[in-house]
Amino acid sequence: ELKVEQNPLFLSMQEGKNYTIYCNYSTTSDRLYWYRQDPGKSLESLFVLLSNGAVKQEGRLMASLDTKARLSTLHITAAVHDLSATYFCAGTFGDEKLTFGTGTRLTIIP
Amino acid sequence: DTGVSQNPRHKITKRGQNVTFRCDPISEHNRLYWYRQTLGQGPEFLTYFQNEAQLEKSRLLSDRFSAERPKGSFSTLEIQRTEQGDSAMYLCASSLAGTDTQYFGPGTRLTVL
Repeated sequence: ELKVEQNPLFLSMQEGKNYTIYCNYSTTSDRLYWYRQDPGKSLESLFVLLSNGAVKQEGRLMASLDTKARLSTLHITAAVHDLSATYFCAGTFGDEKLTFGTGTRLTIIP
Repeated sequence: DTGVSQNPRHKITKRGQNVTFRCDPISEHNRLYWYRQTLGQGPEFLTYFQNEAQLEKSRLLSDRFSAERPKGSFSTLEIQRTEQGDSAMYLCASSLAGTDTQYFGPGTRLTVL
């Protein structure tokens, strides 16, 4: 059975700290995505990772992909309050549909 | 460039009623997807179209659910004889074949009383 697992599920961090969200998946992926969702809102695409060793950065967020370990990470540097949201990883695995993890609810505390 | 739009944004209905949602994809996007998201969970795939052809349906899509994309542009998702378990956010996404990213609409929040 295909599984996409994220941890932690909940994360409270202080402003200015660094942290990493982990995404493990159970079978070979074609593409790995990170999305952001604010409460009551839809999903905003953050990153698409296509190949082993891929690293992408946007502002305080950096995503990486290790296809051999079936692991993607989303690293947050010097967190600020505006980054509070739920972050989802998702992948495509031999077809076009996205399979999502359960999400990581991130709260940045002043 | 207008994004993916969905209507209505909210729908409250009584159990047993039929409901229909509409999704207008980004112009020229030939792929259109429907997902369902319940509280505290990630979205789950329901179905997708390339142009007007429905190419894949999830086993989540029971016979009470039907989706169409008659002219390869907008799509409708109909739920017949709604049940309380159908209460969820229904998300539509679109993409251009050969590109990587699915762009999501604002969703339709369905509440079945």
